[in-house]
Amino acid sequence: AQSVTQLGSHVSVSEGALVLLRCNYSSSVPPYLFWYVQYPNQGLQLLLKYTTGATLVKGINGFEAEFKKSETSFHLTKPSAHMSDAAEYFCAVSVKEYGNKLVFGAGTILRVKS
Amino acid sequence: DTAVSQTPKYLVTQMGNDKSIKCEQNLGHDTMYWYKQDSKKFLKIMFSYNNKELIINETVPNRFSPKSPDKAHLNLHINSLELGDSAVYFCASSHRERTPYNEQFFGPGTRLTVL
Repeated sequence: AQSVTQLGSHVSVSEGALVLLRCNYSSSVPPYLFWYVQYPNQGLQLLLKYTTGATLVKGINGFEAEFKKSETSFHLTKPSAHMSDAAEYFCAVSVKEYGNKLVFGAGTILRVKS
Repeated sequence: DTAVSQTPKYLVTQMGNDKSIKCEQNLGHDTMYWYKQDSKKFLKIMFSYNNKELIINETVPNRFSPKSPDKAHLNLHINSLELGDSAVYFCASSHRERTPYNEQFFGPGTRLTVL
């Protein structure tokens, strides 16, 4: 069965600094990978996704992620953090053979300091 | 023009009561889901319906019963509510044929508090 591990339940960066949120997955077949963001008291919004093709994917709000099969990783980055990026971020994997259900990581809370 | 909507947004009730949460999507999707987000923010799928047919049924107590009257609606009925049912419940939808990788769109959530 597939699973997702997000290293670091809390990440704190200064405004303007690099954001790096880590995600490793476990899947016996090629996965589809997603990053979602959840602002306080709101639903989940899709940031970006990897399905096939180019391994570096760009998303909304300046975020990008790179799929590395050899490392089973899909880390999320943003070159320069903004105060509005403060939120909780969830990595998720979807595998066709398992009804395409999404399996989420435990989430990483990003704090941006001024 | 809300894509995935849920009602109510907040639900406070007593233990032992029965309650329902409604979900509607206007995206033309064929698949809908219910997720539970617990107090530690962990998200777990509960059910999924494709064209009104149940396709995913995770290990959920029988007190939870989903109902899909049509492709655009998926309701969740909970009998005999318990303290541990307190959580935020999210509805989501996707189009399995158009997007086989299953990009899901989420509703705003329903915060259920059982006293």
